Amino acid sequence: GAVVSQHPSWVICKSGTSVKIECRSLDFQATTMFWYRQFPKQSLMLMATSNEGSKATYEQGVEKDKFLINHASLTLSTLTVTSAHPEDSSFYICSARDLGTVNEKLFFGSGTQLSVL
Amino acid sequence: AQKITQTQPGMFVQEKEAVTLDCTYDTSDQSYGLFWYKQPSSGEMIFLIYQGSYDEQNATEGRYSLNFQKARKSANLVISASQLGDSAMYFCAMREGPGGGNKLTFGTGTQLKVEL
Repeated sequence: GAVVSQHPSWVICKSGTSVKIECRSLDFQATTMFWYRQFPKQSLMLMATSNEGSKATYEQGVEKDKFLINHASLTLSTLTVTSAHPEDSSFYICSARDLGTVNEKLFFGSGTQLSVL
Repeated sequence: AQKITQTQPGMFVQEKEAVTLDCTYDTSDQSYGLFWYKQPSSGEMIFLIYQGSYDEQNATEGRYSLNFQKARKSANLVISASQLGDSAMYFCAMREGPGGGNKLTFGTGTQLKVEL
């Protein structure tokens, strides 16, 4: 089945620094990828839709200048948390749609646990 | 209003028994898709089953089946012959048509614990 690779799995950083998270579709092309955020014991909240070759579409309330998304190729999207603060600590997970499947399944990466000190 | 409602924060089931996880949804679209995902403690989201709004038969995938009642807007997940490895968080999700941006909206999840 389709595989989405997300890296790193976890990262600890100092307040004020930037952190980049990568999301790759390994065996299919993904013109669209999605970035979610999940707080402990809560649901996944969509942050933004990443579109290959164009600007990302952000959900209401998500700061686009803080959460920079780049989707430069059909297999790679990156999320950069700029000037991270402790309140940005969360589980971030990406997904990609495999248009080659019958019901256009979304496949998820394994997630990134970000801890900002 | 919540688009996806999962009313069971936690459920217990004995090994080898069947369990039903509830999910109701709200949409005005005629075309939509319903998904169930499993999230173990490791965090990854594992696709379990899909039901399209126009599918006349309930979806089944191995031990998983989806009890789709369109008029009631419910899409309950039934896990038969529960196994210890089924202990995880389960999320119901909906993808609405192009008007909804083809995004997935998730419910709040149900924590399932399978006991011996």
